[in-house]
Amino acid sequence: DTEVTQTPKHLVMGMTNKKSLKCEQHMGHRAMYWYKQKAKKPPELMFVYSYEKLSINESVPSRFSPECPNSSLLNLHLHALQPEDSALYLCASSQEAKYAGNSPLHFGNGTRLTVT
Amino acid sequence: AQSVTQLGSHVSVSEGALVLLRCNYSSSVPPYLFWYVQYPNQGLQLLLKYTSAATLVKGINGFEAEFKKSETSFHLTKPSAHMSDAAEYFCAVSDNTGGFKTIFGAGTRLFVKA
Repeated sequence: DTEVTQTPKHLVMGMTNKKSLKCEQHMGHRAMYWYKQKAKKPPELMFVYSYEKLSINESVPSRFSPECPNSSLLNLHLHALQPEDSALYLCASSQEAKYAGNSPLHFGNGTRLTVT
Repeated sequence: AQSVTQLGSHVSVSEGALVLLRCNYSSSVPPYLFWYVQYPNQGLQLLLKYTSAATLVKGINGFEAEFKKSETSFHLTKPSAHMSDAAEYFCAVSDNTGGFKTIFGAGTRLFVKA
């Protein structure tokens, strides 16, 4: 069982649709992350939130819009996506610390996104 | 900049045989190193982590890894492979200078033959 819950598990959307991915954790972690993973590749960091504030944006296109409503929730709003955006989107969390390098990531099982 | 290199995109072993997955790191400071496993249609799960307390690190599911500074390596081993070990394995290094970035290796797919 994963302690990071992602919904939906699968999503198919057209290029003109607007949809949202949701992520929830109740471990008291104060850092939350969005990763994108293409088939047979490692996860690529997209965004990091620390104490509900965006701390890292890895030059992600504006058609991806993250939101952190509170310390337990993380959303990723999707609009006008391209077929090449089809991938597994993973949410993760970790304990916050000024030097968080030794804090492992806890991943959800991801949302499999297909853009048609 | 920190990085990790995993040697071998695919490794195949027989059930009961030794598992050895190789990882070399590059870091100008003592690194924080991790091994994660990903089963099909799942997210990544932490197997073990090295944070300088001990060079031999034991993880879940019978896996362990040894940190060797002289070889800049952090290889993952398991004495006896089980069919359930078939998965993708990622070595990772974490930014220990105040950031939140974890840098993943390219991954090694482990196949276990009956």
